Amino acid sequence: RKEVEQDPGPFNVPEGATVAFNCTYSNSASQSFFWYRQDCRKEPKLLMSVYSSGNEDGRFTAQLNRASQYISLLIRDSKLSDSATYLCVVQRLTGGGNKLTFGTGTQLKVEL
Amino acid sequence: DADVTQTPRNRITKTGKRIMLECSQTKGHDRMYWYRQDPGLGLRLIYYSFDVKDINKGEISDGYSVSRQAQAKFSLSLESAIPNQTALYFCATSVGASGGLGDTQYFGPGTRLTVL
Repeated sequence: RKEVEQDPGPFNVPEGATVAFNCTYSNSASQSFFWYRQDCRKEPKLLMSVYSSGNEDGRFTAQLNRASQYISLLIRDSKLSDSATYLCVVQRLTGGGNKLTFGTGTQLKVEL
Repeated sequence: DADVTQTPRNRITKTGKRIMLECSQTKGHDRMYWYRQDPGLGLRLIYYSFDVKDINKGEISDGYSVSRQAQAKFSLSLESAIPNQTALYFCATSVGASGGLGDTQYFGPGTRLTVL
């Protein structure tokens, strides 16, 4: 089983729609959680961290469920510019320091 | 100007050749990383360095070596390139985790390497 799993998509949604992505992680010792955004052929960039109480940044809401070991990202009022791949990232402490594990990403296509 | 730069951006080479990918950063971060990205496999860590005198293997270091020439420079070498090293390679930096905020990675633009 992969340490971090995501539905690869693509999710094709009309502009203005609300879309949600889930990500599951297998290691209960995971401590920190993030969503990164990666545009086609570009580098990943941090979108937002995910806090235990849930957090919101404009149209984006991230939730963490430690009991079920999943993270979610909700995008409201989708824009064409939201089209990208969204990477779920999980961090845990190991003997060698912090270890980041990246999911393979969920592709979002927002259409007119 | 970009904070993390990589050279070359694209490279096509032949099996058995030695290749060096270079990374430079102006962010002043101590930590630097090399990842490769393959379709369906996500980003995987090759090597990382927490300061100039510290080099550590990641999960897929076989066939690769690195050199941390200065705080701002971290190069990745493929001693004898093989076709399954064809991938998109990213360099990244981070300031290090503090206060539970996580170790945000700042990525360079990537190097697309093709080994024939």
